[in-house]
Amino acid sequence: GAVVSQHPSWVICKSGTSVKIECRSLDFQATTMFWYRQFPKQSLMLMATSNEGSKATYEQGVEKDKFLINHASLTLSTLTVTSAHPEDSSFYICSARVPQGAYNSPLHFGNGTRLTVT
Amino acid sequence: QQPVQSPQAVILREGEDAVINCSSSKALYSVHWYRQKHGEAPVFLMILLKGGEQKGHEKISASFNEKKQQSSLYLTASQLSYSGTYFCGTVNSGNTPLVFGKGTRLSVIA
Repeated sequence: GAVVSQHPSWVICKSGTSVKIECRSLDFQATTMFWYRQFPKQSLMLMATSNEGSKATYEQGVEKDKFLINHASLTLSTLTVTSAHPEDSSFYICSARVPQGAYNSPLHFGNGTRLTVT
Repeated sequence: QQPVQSPQAVILREGEDAVINCSSSKALYSVHWYRQKHGEAPVFLMILLKGGEQKGHEKISASFNEKKQQSSLYLTASQLSYSGTYFCGTVNSGNTPLVFGKGTRLSVIA
């Protein structure tokens, strides 16, 4: 079945540093991936849609200069949290629709990355 | 537009049934249901595409009332493994992304 792999599973970093999170599609090509953020006991909030070969589409209120998304290949999307601060501490999850291109396809999620900024 | 889920939380004893509702103020293109265990990523349960559609797997089923813009998830004869937070996700048109509700926390106790 379709698998989305996310790395790392958790990361602890100091305030002011940058953190990169990778999301890979393992057995399919993903032209579009989605990045969600989830604070404790809250819902999954869509941050941005990552498009292979073009700029990401950010949701309202998400700073594109702070959350850099790169989707340079059909199997890899990366999210870089720049100049991280404690309020950025959260659970970041990537996902992809399988099959691709159909808005009614189910989302397959990576295992998520728990970011803690100290 | 975030869908509204109810109830926010429910506690069941093993073997009891539960219903989780999801409603939208906008017309729905499709409804997705996911379950998330603590500290883990959400897992896809099922998707409903057409008004009036009902589907299920084992003792979990769902219905989609297109006219009322709502969907319900039915858990029958609940098991301990059903515990988790259930999210509905809605797509309002053919080119909008999936938006999740706030979730319903389900706890099944022995």
